[in-house]
Amino acid sequence: EAQVTQNPRYLITVTGKKLTVTCSQNMNHEYMSWYRQDPGLGLRQIYYSMNVEVTDKGDVPEGYKVSRKEKRNFPLILESPSPNQTSLYFCASSFRVSGANVLTFGAGSRLTVL
Amino acid sequence: AQTVTQSQPEMSVQEAETVTLSCTYDTSESDYYLFWYKQPPSRQMILVIRQEAYKQQNATENRFSVNFQKAAKSFSLKISDSQLGDAAMYFCASHFQGGSEKLVFGKGTKLTVNP
Repeated sequence: EAQVTQNPRYLITVTGKKLTVTCSQNMNHEYMSWYRQDPGLGLRQIYYSMNVEVTDKGDVPEGYKVSRKEKRNFPLILESPSPNQTSLYFCASSFRVSGANVLTFGAGSRLTVL
Repeated sequence: AQTVTQSQPEMSVQEAETVTLSCTYDTSESDYYLFWYKQPPSRQMILVIRQEAYKQQNATENRFSVNFQKAAKSFSLKISDSQLGDAAMYFCASHFQGGSEKLVFGKGTKLTVNP
């Protein structure tokens, strides 16, 4: 089954404790991205990757890091989490359909930073 | 800046009736794509329908259709014969060509379906 898998689905952590949210896709998509969803703000892009070893900042990159060492994996790293990073996080991979960038989303990771 | 605006934070509809969710966007580009995503209580983001801006014909997917008004920069979603399973957050989004390949999302409309 074609899918994007992200883990953990739920995580409660404390300020300053490094954590990684993993993301893996089995569709051989070149493009992957991370979004965060906050009430009243919709989804905002954190980072994206056009291919292996090619990453760039989205709209809200502060406090996050990413890496793309393999095509299928795109982990999101919070080196020193803070309470304002409490959010719902989505990983997505995508391909072009008639020029449109069609995203397939993971199931989401609910992160709480105390 | 490219923006997507959903002016209705919440909407409700009776089961079996029709509801229209509004979306407007702002861009100076001529080539772009528009989407509606559904987010049920499971939080999964599900693509409902997409529209290429260069196509004049409105997209349709079963009970879901759009009214795309390019000059007015409007992209509304019509749900016909509403079902209880349609209850969800609906997000309008746009892929503007070039740059980061990102989707720009609206803030969402929460749809309630009353039995």
